[in-house]
Amino acid sequence: GAVVSQHPSRVICKSGTSVKIECRSLDFQATTMFWYRQFPKKSLMLMATSNEGSKATYEQGVEKDKFLINHASLTLSTLTVTSAHPEDSSFYICSARFSGGSYNEQFFGPGTRLTVL
Amino acid sequence: QKEVEQNSGPLSVPEGAIASLNCTYSDRGSQSFFWYRQYSGKSPELIMSIYSNGDKEDGRFTAQLNKASQYVSLLIRDSQPSDSATYLCAVYILTGGGNKLTFGTGTQLKVEL
Repeated sequence: GAVVSQHPSRVICKSGTSVKIECRSLDFQATTMFWYRQFPKKSLMLMATSNEGSKATYEQGVEKDKFLINHASLTLSTLTVTSAHPEDSSFYICSARFSGGSYNEQFFGPGTRLTVL
Repeated sequence: QKEVEQNSGPLSVPEGAIASLNCTYSDRGSQSFFWYRQYSGKSPELIMSIYSNGDKEDGRFTAQLNKASQYVSLLIRDSQPSDSATYLCAVYILTGGGNKLTFGTGTQLKVEL
């Protein structure tokens, strides 16, 4: 399958700081990328859908001013958690949808584990 | 009714047996169906996609789709301990915001020695 990378894989930060997570599709162009959050032993929760060159679409209950998403190119999307608090500690996973052909498979990055102290 | 439903398990099978994982979905118009495997602490990995009624085989995995019954399943033959993971069923569901890949809550599979 296609390769999606994420950086960093793990980050520990102090409360009140901002954290930026990068998501890259390495071997295909992704017009659409997705950001998910997963708490321990819970389901994946879609936070937002990011389309290249336009504003992200946020799911209900997700604060767009707290979770800033930028999708500046067909291979890169970034999620910035602003003024992070301990309740933001979670596993953040990006996903990219392959935009070629008639198929619409979605591939996940390895995830970023965020711990806010 | 949830949009994509799976039994949370755990489903325990002995090594070498066939594991059968089931999923139902609510949107009769859905056309694309996927199975992901997620190991504990890791992100989901796409293992099968299926778009037409019937069976699709890939190695030890077989996906089965029945659109009339709104049912998709995953069979794992010759189950191995390394298959122990949570299996997520995902379906594209048409929402107000467009087609969205919607996940079930996952079925935990345990393959026992």
